[in-house]
Amino acid sequence: DTEVTQTPKHLVMGMTNKKSLKCEQHMGHRAMYWYKQKAKKPPELMFVYSYEKLSINESVPSRFSPECPNSSLLNLHLHALQPEDSALYLCASSQPQGRGRDYGYTFGSGTRLTVV
Amino acid sequence: DAKTTQPTSMDCAEGRAANLPCNHSTISGNEYVYWYRQIHSQGPQYIIHGLKNNETNEMASLIITEDRKSSTLILPHATLRDTAVYYCIVRAFSGTYKYIFGTGTRLKVLA
Repeated sequence: DTEVTQTPKHLVMGMTNKKSLKCEQHMGHRAMYWYKQKAKKPPELMFVYSYEKLSINESVPSRFSPECPNSSLLNLHLHALQPEDSALYLCASSQPQGRGRDYGYTFGSGTRLTVV
Repeated sequence: DAKTTQPTSMDCAEGRAANLPCNHSTISGNEYVYWYRQIHSQGPQYIIHGLKNNETNEMASLIITEDRKSSTLILPHATLRDTAVYYCIVRAFSGTYKYIFGTGTRLKVLA
């Protein structure tokens, strides 16, 4: 299995809703990532997990809450979002990066989020 | 900040070779150059990567200059389905290694 699976593919939520995005991989990768992509812009890194521990939070607002319950799963919990948070949310996985070790990322197809 | 710079957009005639340049002048000796592409609203797709030597696979060729400060992705016979945004990435380090995307090159293949 060489895929990263993201669900749902599309999500519409109100500003008072709580929802979660899910990402799953079965490649044995021990690093997982969340990116946010606005229209016609490059993906922006949000969070990095390595060995199920949060290693990077790129100053993301607390209304986005990541969770890595095991080595195959990555969730992004959403609460009290704003319309400007509407974007494509991408998940990726890789082997943990280290000095001299660069394995590249495998990306999912993303979740298209619309906040109304 | 991204460690790569690319032209914003390029056009290529269908059936011709598309040559996409990338500058990465601050690349370290053990850093790979990765190329991904993103077709509208899909996740980025891996194309090819390299360290020093030129590389070729079924999708593309990667030419890296001897000083490693720039590279060129070559799509030998571009088709309409190659229309996409192409990202050249060298990972950054700030406590942890990470991929920071630059603005990429929007390639349009013309019929």
